[in-house]
Amino acid sequence: SQQGEEDPQALSIQEGENATMNCSYKTSINNLQWYRQNSGRGLVHLILIRSNEREKHSGRLRVTLDTSKKSSSLLITASRAADTASYFCATGNDMRFGAGTRLTVKP
Amino acid sequence: NAGVTQTPKFRVLKTGQSMTLLCAQDMNHEYMYWYRQDPGMGLRLIHYSVGEGTTAKGEVPDGYNVSRLKKQNFLLGLESAAPSQTSVYFCASSYSGELFFGEGSRLTVL
Repeated sequence: SQQGEEDPQALSIQEGENATMNCSYKTSINNLQWYRQNSGRGLVHLILIRSNEREKHSGRLRVTLDTSKKSSSLLITASRAADTASYFCATGNDMRFGAGTRLTVKP
Repeated sequence: NAGVTQTPKFRVLKTGQSMTLLCAQDMNHEYMYWYRQDPGMGLRLIHYSVGEGTTAKGEVPDGYNVSRLKKQNFLLGLESAAPSQTSVYFCASSYSGELFFGEGSRLTVL
């Protein structure tokens, strides 16, 4: 089984800027998922990208996947204060998570 | 549609006491998971189940037991609670892919 590792650990930006966070993993995958967690609440699914996909969009979210580098990135465009949260990636049949990226968007 | 429901939401235990956390899902999902999350950290997988009657160990299974007697329920048991098990526990379920999470159960062991 495998575990996603997010980078950076923390990110602070101004409202309106773009936020990019990265995820690396160690073995081959069928898909990779990104989740958001607001202040101790349950995680909310954002997007799933399959191993045969290179890029996927959902609203202001853009996810890329590079299987040759075993990495994925999540881009949030035109960030809002409401985007302040922790973001996690997860992979594997047993769905293991990394420590996450804590994003703070300042008004 | 309730989704994933965890009970209780809060509990305080004394060292050595036992308790069971219940996770119930009404989405007919095959897969269910128990995680713990400690302050400032990600989720660590305790145990998971790929179907009724099956369970498997995750990253941090020691001190916990689980049962999946019914498809809709996944129970997490602590036989003899320790202060190191103070944490927020999250249950999740999935059919294939996207996880649906409960709102968490905050457990304090004194």
